[in-house]
Amino acid sequence: DGGITQSPKYLFRKEGQNVTLSCEQNLNHDAMYWYRQDPGQGLRLIYYSQIVNDFQKGDIAEGYSVSREKKESFPLTVTSAQKNPTAFYLCASRPNSSPTVYGYTFGSGTRLTVV
Amino acid sequence: KQEVTQIPAALSVPEGENLVLNCSFTDSAIYNLQWFRQDPGKGLTSLLLIQSSQREQTSGRLNASLDKSSGRSTLYIAASQPGDSATYLCAVGDPYSGGYQKVTFGIGTKLQVIP
Repeated sequence: DGGITQSPKYLFRKEGQNVTLSCEQNLNHDAMYWYRQDPGQGLRLIYYSQIVNDFQKGDIAEGYSVSREKKESFPLTVTSAQKNPTAFYLCASRPNSSPTVYGYTFGSGTRLTVV
Repeated sequence: KQEVTQIPAALSVPEGENLVLNCSFTDSAIYNLQWFRQDPGKGLTSLLLIQSSQREQTSGRLNASLDKSSGRSTLYIAASQPGDSATYLCAVGDPYSGGYQKVTFGIGTKLQVIP
């Protein structure tokens, strides 16, 4: 079955440590996104990528980095510069063609906690 | 700047009841509107996608309507079941952002259906 796989499901980070969240899709979607979800707030966009080897900052990119070396993969690194990284992180994808027809497909999320 | 509001924040109903969830948005010029379901600690599951030119979409016991002029969408759930218990989010697509299609999410309505 096609879908988006996020790993790990739970991740613990020590102060000053970088961690990488994995996102893989086999839907052949062109565009991929990373969102952060905090209690009482709507999803906020961190980074997005419309094609391989290209990505753009979203609304809250500071302290995060991404890469898009393969169409299927869009890993997110939470760096030590992100001062409040504890949150639920969601990866999503969407085909670039016919954007009015297709909505988002989301992964199951990674919960990151700073210890 | 688009703002999306969902009222109420939480709703508790007995099993079998028909119910309506509300979503309002401040800028009526939208690309599309999507309703999602989120179970605790999980990702988002797409329920219905309404294009800007459409007035409603139906899937099983779910019906979503869109009134752009008033900046409102409703999600109607018929004959509610305990398995419908989840948080329901609405997301509005921005028509000005081209292929990227910026999306603004509401915080969601947490629904509990009591057996």
